[in-house]
Amino acid sequence: KAGVTQTPRYLIKTRGQQVTLSCSPISGHRSVSWYQQTPGQGLQFLFEYFSETQRNKGNFPGRFSGRQFSNSRSEMNVSTLELGDSALYLCASSFGQSGGETQYFGPGTRLLVL
Amino acid sequence: DAKTTQPTSMDCAEGRAANLPCNHSTISGNEYVYWYRQIHSQGPQYIIHGLKNNETNEMASLIITEDRKSSTLILPHATLRDTAVYYCIVRVEGGTASKLTFGTGTRLQVTL
Repeated sequence: KAGVTQTPRYLIKTRGQQVTLSCSPISGHRSVSWYQQTPGQGLQFLFEYFSETQRNKGNFPGRFSGRQFSNSRSEMNVSTLELGDSALYLCASSFGQSGGETQYFGPGTRLLVL
Repeated sequence: DAKTTQPTSMDCAEGRAANLPCNHSTISGNEYVYWYRQIHSQGPQYIIHGLKNNETNEMASLIITEDRKSSTLILPHATLRDTAVYYCIVRVEGGTASKLTFGTGTRLQVTL
C-alpha cells in the first residue's frame, strides 16, 4: 500500500507570495493532519481535516488555511509569506473514524522563504 | 494530553539494545503512549504504541511500568540506520483529539 505523498518536496518563495502544498493520504484514510516543523519551535500541529471538514485547529494565524477534497486529498495554503514560515511542512493521515488513531506521516515539503 | 520528559540525547553501540526512557507522570487512564522517530529531515515514522501492557512489533518493544508513569522503548539490536530523534507522546485514543503534541525527543546516536 502506498504511503502518504506530498508535493512538491522543495519550494522556494519570496516574502509576500502565497504557496499551496498538497498531500495525498494512504488509501482508505479519511483524516489528514498538517504540521509545521522549525528548528526553534519543533513540530507543531496546524489543523486536521476529516470528510472535507476542519475538525481540529492549532494556534496559527489565519494566513494558514487548508481544505480537503472528496477523495481525501488535502491542500494547505499560506498567504502573505513571511521569513518565519520557512519550515518543513508535514502531513499525516489516519482512518479518522475516531480522532485518536495512529497517524502516518509523509516525507514533508521543505519551504524556504527569501 | 499529558506532558512527557525524555533525555536530550543517548548513544548506543551498533548491535546492542537501545533503551530509550520516557516519563509521563501525569498520564490519564485513557491515554496511550506512542513512539515515533524522525530520521534527519524525513517525516516522523510510527514505531509502536500501548496502553498498559507491554507491546512488541517488528521494530521495537514498549515496556510500560505498572503505574504507567514511565515507559521504555527498546530497539533490540540497534543499527546505524536507527540513528534518529525518538519522540514519546501520550494521547487519548478515540474521540476527536487527533493532534499529536511533540516534545523535543531523544536524539539517539548509534555508533560502530
